[in-house]
Amino acid sequence: EVQLVESGGDLVQPGGSLRLSCAASGFTFSSYAMYWVRQAPGKGLEYVSAISSNGGFTNYANSVKGRFTISRDNSKNTLYLQMGSLKTEDMAVYYCVRDWQLDNWGQGTPVTVSS
Amino acid sequence: DVVMTQSPLSLPVTLGQPASISCRSSQSLVYSDGITYMHWFQQRPGQSPRRLIYKVSNRDSGVPDRFSGSGSGTDFTLKISRVEAEDVGVYYCMQGTHWPRTFGQGTKLEIK
Repeated sequence: EVQLVESGGDLVQPGGSLRLSCAASGFTFSSYAMYWVRQAPGKGLEYVSAISSNGGFTNYANSVKGRFTISRDNSKNTLYLQMGSLKTEDMAVYYCVRDWQLDNWGQGTPVTVSS
Repeated sequence: DVVMTQSPLSLPVTLGQPASISCRSSQSLVYSDGITYMHWFQQRPGQSPRRLIYKVSNRDSGVPDRFSGSGSGTDFTLKISRVEAEDVGVYYCMQGTHWPRTFGQGTKLEIK
């Protein structure tokens, strides 16, 4: 069974940093591209970033470009999102999602940005 | 960025009746390989999203056959032949052809 378990969400002040992790199991992690997708409170889904299976390709939403970095460690079956210069508008539940076609979603980890 | 426009944004439906959600993209979603990467997701209250339909019309495993997807180019539709109580939630379309990926605003389906 595919499992994606996000962690690292926390309360952080504006301008602060945070690293999210997504532990993958139940499939060959190194064979799949991965995404981060977020959902602000009461709002819709928003694409954040994507990374290819070997990490050679990455892409970011304009809203996070230059502030967030996606990465992966295939030896640890883990996806990461390093978030910096956080703004109140980054407050959301962050989902880890498998595959270019987004076939499996994690349960999400909440990020709160507030002073 | 490609804009995905869903309608309606709110969809009250009587149990057992059909429902239809439209999604229009600002650019063609046909990729250079000839495949259209347009997907539909369902998010039930309090749950993570799950994929229902991929590449326009392919139902995911476990998705009831009352759900169907159709369309081409820039115009797509999700249909539910007979709405059941478990279908309550928000439905999103998403394009996987262009970077950055983009979602529709979501359509909230409720029981009348």
